[in-house]
Amino acid sequence: EVQLVESGGGLVQPGRSLRLSCAASGFTFDDYAMHWVRQAPGKGLEWVSGISWNSGSIGYADSVKGRFTISRDNAKNSLYLQMNSLRAEDTALYYCAKDQAYGSGSRNDAFDIWGQGTMVTVSS
Amino acid sequence: QSVLTQPPSVSGAPGQRVTISCTGSSSNIGAGYDVHWYQQLPGTAPKLLIYGNSNRPSGVPDRFSGSKSGTSASLAITGLQAEDEADYYCQSYDSSLSGCYVFGTGTKVTVL
Repeated sequence: EVQLVESGGGLVQPGRSLRLSCAASGFTFDDYAMHWVRQAPGKGLEWVSGISWNSGSIGYADSVKGRFTISRDNAKNSLYLQMNSLRAEDTALYYCAKDQAYGSGSRNDAFDIWGQGTMVTVSS
Repeated sequence: QSVLTQPPSVSGAPGQRVTISCTGSSSNIGAGYDVHWYQQLPGTAPKLLIYGNSNRPSGVPDRFSGSKSGTSASLAITGLQAEDEADYYCQSYDSSLSGCYVFGTGTKVTVL
């Protein structure tokens, strides 16, 4: 079964850091680009960051650029999101999502597999 | 804020047809980037419903269909069923500024 399981969320104070993890199984992880997408409570979806299969291409939403760092370890079938200088507006459910297309991924790709998400709450 | 605009809500009786619009601009849908649609049932993760403007993944009923024209796209649900009550999001890519994937504002479908 194809599966993505996120972990690492929690309550953190503004200005602090948190590292999210996503464990993949049921598919050849290093064949696909991967993404993080977040959803604030009661709000819509927002793409956060994406990384190609070999980490050669990385992108970030303007809202997190310079504060968040995406990475992956293909040997461990894992995706990560290092979140620094957290703000109240970063409070959201963070989803890990698999790129649909085989290879480096393209701007036309959909996200075909999603995890259940891990909640991040930034509050003092 | 999202650059793809959807109506906040649509509703219909069981068996009816409803459509959801997704309006973009020349830097996203109008630039030729594909549009994808996701269904999010209450309390669950989004699920890919339509990819590449009009293609259904395996297992998605043919009651769901997608189309794209110019700077807009649409999702149609025919033969509306109670289990279709959910939030629906369109998604594409926007090449303005640094470029990024973008989602629509979301539409709540209510089955009357």
